[in-house]
Amino acid sequence: DARVTQTPRHKVTEMGQEVTMRCQPILGHNTVFWYRQTMMQGLELLAYFRNRAPLDDSGMPKDRFSAEMPDATLATLKIQPSEPRDSAVYFCASGLGGRPYEQYFGPGTRLTVT
Amino acid sequence: GEDVEQSLFLSVREGDSSVINCTYTDSSSTYLYWYKQEPGAGLQLLTYIFSNMDMKQDQRLTVLLNKKDKHLSLRIADTQTGDSAIYFCAEDGDSSASKIIFGSGTRLSIRP
Repeated sequence: DARVTQTPRHKVTEMGQEVTMRCQPILGHNTVFWYRQTMMQGLELLAYFRNRAPLDDSGMPKDRFSAEMPDATLATLKIQPSEPRDSAVYFCASGLGGRPYEQYFGPGTRLTVT
Repeated sequence: GEDVEQSLFLSVREGDSSVINCTYTDSSSTYLYWYKQEPGAGLQLLTYIFSNMDMKQDQRLTVLLNKKDKHLSLRIADTQTGDSAIYFCAEDGDSSASKIIFGSGTRLSIRP
């Protein structure tokens, strides 16, 4: 049963600390997306990759967020330093890239920054 | 630009039909989608419709597309408590990146 996995599922940290979230896309998928979901802003696209190359990260605060794909089986989203306003659920999704654009979402990482 | 709008809340009685509405802006979208998010989970593709169709039916789900008005709806027949979720309407975005533009989501709650 192929699925997107994300770790950790929950993270509580203090303001100023570094946070790293990891995602394992479904094997064979060539597109990976990072989303952030909050009650106030809804679902926001932060960054996305095709064939491990970053295509657009304009949704991310550049000064503190970074997204990478060290290899085809791992995508990372890093926040340094973290702030309370970063508290949200962060989702990773992967897909095959062809239409229709079916994206498979992971279970999310719930981040709380105190 | 691309934008998808939908109402935030819908409450229906168990057994009734639910109709969730959505409007979109990009007339060149090839596909339009409905995703479902259950509590504590990620989004899951529920169904999609090709832009040259005006209706698609899949068991209890009926999708209606009015391309002229850029209006998409999702009808759930015989709504059950398990249908409680947030429903996201979405349209094709940037074709070079397989991007989807999501609406804000409609939270469907079921009354007994």
